[in-house]
Amino acid sequence: SAVISQKPSRDICQRGTSLTIQCQVDSQVTMMFWYRQQPGQSLTLIATANQGSEATYESGFVIDKFPISRPNLTFSTLTVSNMSPEDSSIYLCSVDAGSGTGSGYTFGSGTRLTVV
Amino acid sequence: GQQLNQSPQSMFIQEGEDVSMNCTSSSIFNTWLWYKQDPGEGPVLLIALYKAGELTSNGRLTAQFGITRKDSFLNISASIPSDVGIYFCAGQEGANSKLTFGKGITLSVRP
Repeated sequence: SAVISQKPSRDICQRGTSLTIQCQVDSQVTMMFWYRQQPGQSLTLIATANQGSEATYESGFVIDKFPISRPNLTFSTLTVSNMSPEDSSIYLCSVDAGSGTGSGYTFGSGTRLTVV
Repeated sequence: GQQLNQSPQSMFIQEGEDVSMNCTSSSIFNTWLWYKQDPGEGPVLLIALYKAGELTSNGRLTAQFGITRKDSFLNISASIPSDVGIYFCAGQEGANSKLTFGKGITLSVRP
């Protein structure tokens, strides 16, 4: 399965600032995703990062708050903009290196963000 | 929207015991997945199920895809301390559709 390197692993940020999270995959993948996992909660899909075009955002998430880049088939970034304490969460990158059946979904170790 | 229900939120068992976790949905999924998340890590896939009624094992883990396609269960036999973690179920409607996750069950194993 694909190996994902996600960084930073954690950060403490001041409110009003922005943080960019990087996701590097060891192989070319078609589909890359960004999830949010709030404390004690499940994983919520933020957006699908599309190579060569704008990301596809889920309901409740907007590009101005969570801009995403996908310059090639092995790399993506997620920026959390104008942060507030409510953005404190774990952010996870995920890729589908399989045939879209779900079993090929691999997750990075996550970025634990605390906004103060 | 679609929801997957997992309960209870936490389970406490004695080392060596078996444990069963259930996941239910109000809608049909064509793929069911079980993930485990260790502290500080991302979820790792344990078992994937593709067919209603399918029973699949992975070592001490066994999972089944419900006949109605609206539920699945995961059994862990002879639990050991490293089984502690959060267990998530996830469903997928079809190929290339997004995953829907349950809220997870935190498992604690007493030595």
